[in-house]
Amino acid sequence: EAQVTQNPRYLITVTGKKLTVTCSQNMNHEYMSWYRQDPGLGLRQIYYSMNVEVTDKGDVPEGYKVSRKEKRNFPLILESPSPNQTSLYFCASSQNRGPYNEQFFGPGTRLTVL
Amino acid sequence: DQQVKQNSPSLSVQEGRISILNCDYTNSMFDYFLWYKKYPAEGPTFLISISSIKDKNEDGRFTVFLNKSAKHLSLHIVPSQPGDSAVYFCAAGQDDKIIFGKGTRLHILP
Repeated sequence: EAQVTQNPRYLITVTGKKLTVTCSQNMNHEYMSWYRQDPGLGLRQIYYSMNVEVTDKGDVPEGYKVSRKEKRNFPLILESPSPNQTSLYFCASSQNRGPYNEQFFGPGTRLTVL
Repeated sequence: DQQVKQNSPSLSVQEGRISILNCDYTNSMFDYFLWYKKYPAEGPTFLISISSIKDKNEDGRFTVFLNKSAKHLSLHIVPSQPGDSAVYFCAAGQDDKIIFGKGTRLHILP
């Protein structure tokens, strides 16, 4: 089944404790992206990647890192999480370059930073 | 500043009638626009898109209209069905970046 998977689905952590949210897609998509969804703010793009070893900042990249060592994986790294990073995070992928095309979203990761 | 605006946080429509969701944008350089639908506890799913060189795109019950001079797009759902109750996000993109609106919650009434 074609899908985007994220792990973990739920995470409660404390300020400053490094964490990684994994994202994997099995559709051989070139484009992958991370978003956060906050009440009243909609979806905001954090980082995106157009292909292996190619990443770029979205609208709200501060406090986040990403890597794209393999085509299928695009982990989101919070080196020192803070409470303002409490949010619902979505990973997405699309075929071909850019999000012009339909993006397939993962189920989301709900992160709470205490 | 908010480049993509969905000014109606919620909308209620009778089943079988037309639902019209609106979206305004400020950046005239956006070259494509998309609509996504989101159910609770799920990721958004793609509905329909339109290039800036077109003014209409249709897919089944869903039609998106683009008015570039007004920097406005709308999504029409005809006829509305109970399964259409969800949050709808308008999105606009330029190059490889995409900006989403805050969403409009659509309630389909029986």
